[in-house]
Amino acid sequence: QQQVKQSPQSLIVQKGGISIINCAYENTAFDYFPWYQQFPGKGPALLIAIRPDVSEKKEGRFTISFNKSAKQFSLHIMDSQPGDSATYFCAASTGGGSNYKLTFGKGTLLTVNP
Amino acid sequence: DGGITQSPKYLFRKEGQNVTLSCEQNLNHDAMYWYRQDPGQGLRLIYYSQIVNDFQKGDIAEGYSVSREKKESFPLTVTSAQKNPTAFYLCASSIRQGSYEQYFGPGTRLTVT
Repeated sequence: QQQVKQSPQSLIVQKGGISIINCAYENTAFDYFPWYQQFPGKGPALLIAIRPDVSEKKEGRFTISFNKSAKQFSLHIMDSQPGDSATYFCAASTGGGSNYKLTFGKGTLLTVNP
Repeated sequence: DGGITQSPKYLFRKEGQNVTLSCEQNLNHDAMYWYRQDPGQGLRLIYYSQIVNDFQKGDIAEGYSVSREKKESFPLTVTSAQKNPTAFYLCASSIRQGSYEQYFGPGTRLTVT
């Protein structure tokens, strides 16, 4: 049972365009929603994260939009650049303690054409 | 430089052999994790450890074993019982169990033929 569903699987955007990646979750106990960026042959790196008490968080060209009622969250990359070409993973977790773990989506391969 | 190191970057083994993947961190983090990544499958948790001499199974622990004898080290052994061992293996750490931010190593690509 996949608890975090991510779409699309792949995305091609022109330089300067907006990239949008969507995720949906089922577990209402999730309270932390990070996005990771992974370049080929490298480990993922935390890009941006949001808690469910806010509807939007922006860091530079990257914005997370969060819709708690719909149990959905999305990553928007404004003014996409070829250097943004990577695989993006959304994830979700419940609050700390011994049962804590991150549940990842299956990833979106973003290609930004020059 | 602080961070997580995994070695080697590429590893080749014959079917039926056990193989151990190294993970070392100098971030002074209590918690460490092992994930497996397959194309189109995201990251799946194999094992995690909250503290030295303690570890728990993740979602896909069958065919794997770990140890946590030192805070900075969390080696993963892929045993011959693992039916599909070829994958990209990622080690991660966080300040403590329950800390939201996980930091990943560069990964080891294991190929078993």
